[in-house]
Amino acid sequence: DAAVTQKPRYLIKMKGQEAEMKCIPEKGHTAVFWYQQKQSKELKFLIYFQNQQPLDQIDMVKERFSAVCPSSSLCSLGIRTCEAEDSALYLCSSSQSQNTEVFFGKGTRLTVV
Amino acid sequence: GDSVTQKQGQVTLSEDDFLFINCTYSTTTYPTLLWYVQYLGQGPQLLLKVTTANNKGISRGFEATYDKGTTSFHLQKASVQESDSAVYFCALVSSNTNKVVFGTGTRLQVLP
Repeated sequence: DAAVTQKPRYLIKMKGQEAEMKCIPEKGHTAVFWYQQKQSKELKFLIYFQNQQPLDQIDMVKERFSAVCPSSSLCSLGIRTCEAEDSALYLCSSSQSQNTEVFFGKGTRLTVV
Repeated sequence: GDSVTQKQGQVTLSEDDFLFINCTYSTTTYPTLLWYVQYLGQGPQLLLKVTTANNKGISRGFEATYDKGTTSFHLQKASVQESDSAVYFCALVSSNTNKVVFGTGTRLQVLP
């Protein structure tokens, strides 16, 4: 099985606080994706990195999030100012190259109170 | 752009029932088609994939056929078990955008 590691598994923040979650992609994978999932349903695409460079992201990420992959072995997703609607499961996934399937971590469950 | 449609939001079955989850896709490329399964408290995991039209993917009793004519990739299983209860996502890998495009998911509940 692929081994994408996400930390922490659970995160609780108050409104207005900053949040940060980390992802260690599968070794050798060059593409990293972040998704937001609410209530165990739809996977909402957030941002995509290829060889540590962000190639695509949604407007919400540009405006309120910070995401980097400073090395091929560590990426992070941050929320500058948490809001209630940010409560969700944040899933990181990676793939070996373009045009191949992705492998997911177990996610970081963020609760904003 | 590329898209994947799963019309069923929820499916409820009893053990040993036949499973059919609908999936259709739209793309101008020749995609790889995938099914992911997400069990409670976990991230999605790859269930099966097919890279060539008219081929069938089979895994753990589940199967799906890449039908280029009807642009469908429906998931089937002859006899479901309670342990199959999960959310199932149909997806395609787009060579246009180099992203995986997911359907909205179908929650399967299997009653004992």
